[in-house]
Amino acid sequence: QKEVEQNSGPLSVPEGAIASLNCTYSDRGSQSFFWYRQYSGKSPELIMSIYSNGDKEDGRFTAQLNKASQYVSLLIRDSQPSDSATYLCAVKRVGRRALTFGSGTRLQVQP
Amino acid sequence: GAVVSQHPSRVICKSGTSVKIECRSLDFQATTMFWYRQFPKQSLMLMATSNEGSKATYEQGVEKDKFLINHASLTLSTLTVTSAHPEDSSFYICSAPGTANTGELFFGEGSRLTVL
Repeated sequence: QKEVEQNSGPLSVPEGAIASLNCTYSDRGSQSFFWYRQYSGKSPELIMSIYSNGDKEDGRFTAQLNKASQYVSLLIRDSQPSDSATYLCAVKRVGRRALTFGSGTRLQVQP
Repeated sequence: GAVVSQHPSRVICKSGTSVKIECRSLDFQATTMFWYRQFPKQSLMLMATSNEGSKATYEQGVEKDKFLINHASLTLSTLTVTSAHPEDSSFYICSAPGTANTGELFFGEGSRLTVL
């Protein structure tokens, strides 16, 4: 079982729609959760962080965390073609300072 | 947020040569930096943790004699790929934790290494 799992996609949504990206993790003791966006050939950039159960909203982005189900998600409202990228879920495990990354979900927003 | 700068962004070298990649924290001091490697269409895999003033900690399966890490100052970590081979061709990315202790990492621009 991978430590952080994501559907590789591609996830294709029309412009203006809601994109829903999902992630599960195996280490129940994980404490901090992050969503990074990575454009092709570029390094990741932080989109959202979430530390407690529930929803956290920032502009068009909403992160959702359910520790009991070991599940993290990212919703992107009013998707734009510029949102087309790979979205990486990252988890900070207990006792480790580095983040563990999922393989990423490629999102395509169709104009 | 914290700014991490990485150089060079692209490097092409011949098999058997060594390549050095630099990672700098520009507006903060980083006692720890992390080096990741990413193969095409794969995730970021942690290679090693660079510790200022002490030896790096390598992940299982990463050869410490091949991937030399030096963290001589609070703002600079270097990764040297020694005797590079085509299978070392990859995207190498350094990162550092910010000062707010939130767990997030700030990434350098990445270095695309191609070994011929």
